[in-house]
Amino acid sequence: GQQVMQIPQYQHVQEGEDFTTYCNSSTTLSNIQWYKQRPGGHPVFLIQLVKSGEVKKQKRLTFQFGEAKKNSSLHITATQTTDVGTYFCAAGIYTESNFGNEKLTFGTGTRLTIIP
Amino acid sequence: GAVVSQHPSRVICKSGTSVKIECRSLDFQATTMFWYRQFPKQSLMLMATSNEGSKATYEQGVEKDKFLINHASLTLSTLTVTSAHPEDSSFYICSAPDGSYGYTFGSGTRLTVV
Repeated sequence: GQQVMQIPQYQHVQEGEDFTTYCNSSTTLSNIQWYKQRPGGHPVFLIQLVKSGEVKKQKRLTFQFGEAKKNSSLHITATQTTDVGTYFCAAGIYTESNFGNEKLTFGTGTRLTIIP
Repeated sequence: GAVVSQHPSRVICKSGTSVKIECRSLDFQATTMFWYRQFPKQSLMLMATSNEGSKATYEQGVEKDKFLINHASLTLSTLTVTSAHPEDSSFYICSAPDGSYGYTFGSGTRLTVV
């Protein structure tokens, strides 16, 4: 089945430093989504990327989809303590049985901790 | 925004008993609900997909007789863990497409089987 790997598994940064997590798929993706899960919480949708080479920004967060649509990255500029959590990428797979909705294969996640 | 209400948030049960987890879409219709399990410090693993009015689709390795899923209405899906054992202790989360690009997740249920 499809595998989605993320690196690094853990990242500890000083507050104010930048952070990047990388997501790699074994297959070409139709799209990729990013989620953030705070400790003890549930995943919260951040963004979806669809086009080859697409770059989207949300304030200090920059999301990129690779040209071959097999990899993606999330970069956070000048981290803050509120950025603490685990960041997951998720690849969508269309299946006929789900009313046209994709099922998501989640990446392994990158846990970000901030040193104040 | 879209909300999926999940209950209970925490449950402790004795080995051999059954536990029902409910997920309700509050302000949208969820024709499809995805059920995940997450072990500590691990990723989310899709267990099954429920569609309103039809049988659930289970992922490989997930016992359908142990994890009973019902999706009787457009706003309610339930997961029942039958004859729970300590190895079933985990964080169970539901999610549904909310009409936008992303999926809305419930707040999760932390199940502890003693």
